[in-house]
Amino acid sequence: TQLLEQSPQFLSIQEGENLTVYCNSSSVFSSLQWYRQEPGEGPVLLVTVVTGGEVKKLKRLTFQFGDARKDSSLHITAAQPGDTGLYLCAGVDNYGQNFVFGPGTRLSVLP
Amino acid sequence: EAQVTQNPRYLITVTGKKLTVTCSQNMNHEYMSWYRQDPGLGLRQIYYSMNVEVTDKGDVPEGYKVSRKEKRNFPLILESPSPNQTSLYFCASSLFRGRDTEAFFGQGTRLTVV
Repeated sequence: TQLLEQSPQFLSIQEGENLTVYCNSSSVFSSLQWYRQEPGEGPVLLVTVVTGGEVKKLKRLTFQFGDARKDSSLHITAAQPGDTGLYLCAGVDNYGQNFVFGPGTRLSVLP
Repeated sequence: EAQVTQNPRYLITVTGKKLTVTCSQNMNHEYMSWYRQDPGLGLRQIYYSMNVEVTDKGDVPEGYKVSRKEKRNFPLILESPSPNQTSLYFCASSLFRGRDTEAFFGQGTRLTVV
């Protein structure tokens, strides 16, 4: 069974601070995705990273896929209260048929 | 609007009373799946379906049934619910696009079994 670990599990920071959360696996995935889930809602896709070493930016969010395609990180610059939520990473197989989700990092950004 | 719709959003039931949670998508996606989300455990797949009449077990299928008679619908059935099935349930659908596939989730069903 493929497993994804995320760290930290919980993170509470002040508005304006920077942060990085991590997603690690012992397995290789064809791609890795990051989703954000807000209270009372289902997860929503933020980004897909495909190539080892790939870096993608989405405004203040920077996503990186490890060279060996087993790990990924999400860095948020100048966090805002609107960034509060549960961040989930998901490994995707070659055919896009199976998603393996990590347990998530719950981020709270205080004003 | 493209969406995955689950009903009900909240459900409290008693042990052993059969229930069905419905899921419908309007994006013509082939792939649909059910997950349960529990604190510290993330999303765990219960069942998935790659197309009409094709279903398969995920990681935690015990105590659940599904059917896929139409492409848009994928109901989750609990024949005899037990308290350990108290959880937050999500239905998701996706279009096969290889490793760029995006999963679209419903808003969730919070189930409590007493």
